[in-house]
Formats: sequence, C-alpha cells, structure tokens
Amino acid sequence: DTAVSQTPKYLVTQMGNDKSIKCEQNLGHDTMYWYKQDSKKFLKIMFSYNNKELIINETVPNRFSPKSPDKAHLNLHINSLELGDSAVYFCASSHSDRPNQPQHFGDGTRLSIL
Amino acid sequence: DAKTTQPPSMDCAEGRAANLPCNHSTISGNEYVYWYRQIHSQGPQYIIHGLKNNETNEMASLIITEDRKSSTLILPHATLRDTAVYYCIVRVASGNTGKLIFGQGTTLQVKP
Repeated sequence: DTAVSQTPKYLVTQMGNDKSIKCEQNLGHDTMYWYKQDSKKFLKIMFSYNNKELIINETVPNRFSPKSPDKAHLNLHINSLELGDSAVYFCASSHSDRPNQPQHFGDGTRLSIL
Repeated sequence: DAKTTQPPSMDCAEGRAANLPCNHSTISGNEYVYWYRQIHSQGPQYIIHGLKNNETNEMASLIITEDRKSSTLILPHATLRDTAVYYCIVRVASGNTGKLIFGQGTTLQVKP
C-alpha cells in the first residue's frame, strides 16, 4: 500500500481556473507538508500542518489555501491559477514526537497551466 | 537558503562505490545531517541520517567528520537504479517544525 498518496498525478488546466490537489497518508503521522518543485528543480517548503493546525506558511500567495480535515489528509486548493504555478507539488508526512525521523514523500502532482 | 554545499554532478561506474561529499561548515550542535535522493519523476526518498557518529543501513553509509563540518554518503555498490539527484540537508530535529531545506543536490550518474 502506498504510504503517501497524491491525486491527481497530472493536472492540466487553464489560467484563471481553481483546482485542488489531495494528499493522504496511512503512516499514522501527525504532521503533513506541501513542497513545490519548480522548473529549475528547486524543492521548497510551502506549508506544514500538525494535528490539523497550520504551523509553517512560507510566504505563499494567499491564492493557495491548504486544508487539513484530519491528521491523515492535507489538501491544497489553488485559486485563480497563474502560469507561474506550473510545477510539481509534493506532499510529505512525519511524526512530530519522533523529531529525528524522516519525512515520507508522495510521488508528486504535476500541474501545468496553459 | 540551504546550509550545505555539494558538487553539482558526479559519475560512478556500475558496481563501484559512489562517494558523495557534502560540506556543512556552519552546522549547529543540535542539527542532524540527512540524505535524501530523488529519482526522476518520483518524490524524494529518505536514505540515512546522523548526528555525529557514522551510520549504516541497508541503503548506504554516512561518514561524518569529527568536527561535523562535512560528511560523505557512500553507496557501496552502485547500480544503474541509483542514478538520481542526492540531497544533503541539515536540520534541527525539532518535532513539528522540522521543515527540510533542499539545495541543488548532486546529480549522480551511474554508468554501465
């Protein structure tokens, strides 16, 4: 079974649309993250949630709104999509009470804005 | 900004050991060294981590210098499937704020 799963794997849409990406983990972790990897392959943290509470927001435009309905899910909603939002978005999870344990990543959602 | 420096690329012959260096001269006493890799079109994959002692697991070995200012990831018998971008990251093991800051990494090409 996949530990961290993201849907959809590919997302092609037009500028100005609103879209959501979903992430689910079955590892029993209580902390989840969203990272963005741009065309130059740099991976950057966007958000982190612990027990459904936002704890990291790395100056991401407010068009991006994460939502965590429970500890196992962290979804990312993006309003008014722009060309610069084209990237691969990775979800990850970890245990907060096992601080030196690694983060586990999903295989990414490839977002292309036309 | 990433707190580590890695060579942008390296080659390794299949079956030989791949030694990937990383400099982290400003590492703090409570920061761990983590290694992840990203195989094309996949998410980053955890390899190994350590604080000050050398570590070994089924994937690799991690050698950390005594002053902790640099480390080397060793893949003992590289295979073609080890071709990937390897990231060296230092971070405080601080529980729920433990974001990873990725640098450019080292692109390892394993050649037949």
